[in-house]
Amino acid sequence: ETGVTQSPTHLIKTRGQQVTLRCSSQSGHNTVSWYQQALGQGPQFIFQYYREEENGRGNFPPRFSGLQFPNYSSELNVNALELDDSALYLCASSPGTSGIKGVETQYFGPGTRLLVL
Amino acid sequence: EDQVTQSPEALRLQEGESSSLNCSYTVSGLRGLFWYRQDPGKGPEFLFTLYSAGEEKEKERLKATLTKKESFLHITAPKPEDSATYLCAVPVRTDMRFGAGTRLTVKP
Repeated sequence: ETGVTQSPTHLIKTRGQQVTLRCSSQSGHNTVSWYQQALGQGPQFIFQYYREEENGRGNFPPRFSGLQFPNYSSELNVNALELDDSALYLCASSPGTSGIKGVETQYFGPGTRLLVL
Repeated sequence: EDQVTQSPEALRLQEGESSSLNCSYTVSGLRGLFWYRQDPGKGPEFLFTLYSAGEEKEKERLKATLTKKESFLHITAPKPEDSATYLCAVPVRTDMRFGAGTRLTVKP
């Protein structure tokens, strides 16, 4: 086990709704990254947070937003859900610093499966 | 553009039948190439990191190798429990750029 937990495990929403996904990192892991994994594809980087500040962002619209808290937990919020948002959402935490070091030593959680109808 | 391409998309082997998975990349200033295993409904599990051409790493029935343009994951005498999706990835700025994966099925 990686010590990274995510909740909920599964979620069903309808188009236009908003969703919040949660991640709990290992103690001491100051960097957390979020990924979207569509069926049959590799994970795609959404953004990275380091010490509660967004530190990098992939090619995702602003309706994808995040928060990181001092207790090593974090959230991914998605507004105005679209059908294409249906995917496995993964968080990954790292004891490394931000940037490249933040992704080289990351540990993934089990993911949240989101279905948008 | 920085890209990672894996082949084949899917591979079916008989138990004991060795084979190789390919990962080719176009990244300037490679900072390492990572291999992960992912079981259905779970997050990727780290296997190896390779940093320079010619480097090799082994773990049980798996051996990863790296050249200047591609990496191979060799599977020797696989068992059914090796069935999974194998992902390769390279770090790009704050991003870990993943390939689409190879879905390996090993039949007893």
